[in-house]
Amino acid sequence: EDQVTQSPEALRLQEGESSSLNCSYTVSGLRGLFWYRQDPGKGPEFLFTLYSAGEEKEKERLKATLTKKESFLHITAPKPEDSATYLCAVPKLGESEKLVFGKGTKLTVNP
Amino acid sequence: GAVVSQHPSRVICKSGTSVKIECRSLDFQATTMFWYRQFPKQSLMLMATSNEGSKATYEQGVEKDKFLINHASLTLSTLTVTSAHPEDSSFYICSASQGSGGEQYFGPGTRLTVT
Repeated sequence: EDQVTQSPEALRLQEGESSSLNCSYTVSGLRGLFWYRQDPGKGPEFLFTLYSAGEEKEKERLKATLTKKESFLHITAPKPEDSATYLCAVPKLGESEKLVFGKGTKLTVNP
Repeated sequence: GAVVSQHPSRVICKSGTSVKIECRSLDFQATTMFWYRQFPKQSLMLMATSNEGSKATYEQGVEKDKFLINHASLTLSTLTVTSAHPEDSSFYICSASQGSGGEQYFGPGTRLTVT
């Protein structure tokens, strides 16, 4: 069964303090990995899709990278508005239209 | 682009009544729509998958007679919680996709409280 594990569960940073979030997965074959941001009381907001090991994508202070076993979401010089829960997901084996989500990393950036 | 709306954003209903939640893709045609529920501090749990014009497929443990899904068009899906009970209180979120294995775009969610 597909497994998606995110770490850490929670992360507190000072404004400007760069760090990385991890998403590891145990699936056979790479069929894509998705990153989302979710604010409290709202639906997830799509950030990135990565398909190939070595692929990188950037958006403002966020950069997502992918290896054969895990993905990192790097946050450079974060601001308080980057505070949110970050979710990663992979397509379900045999049912690729469905996504299997990790439990998320709750990021708090203090001013 | 890729905007999904949900209505209502919040609803409070009495035990035993039914509640309908609408999910619309505003600027694209969604071949597939999904319904999730999310409990506090937990991740999203897929409830069902629906394709326009066909019956929804439900995840194991989800009562299809309780959670009625209608996908009437490529831009509209509805979830009806029938005979709601307090344990149905949750955050319900829909998403829409344009194709297999592609990105899902999520609505803002509906907070259901059953009293």
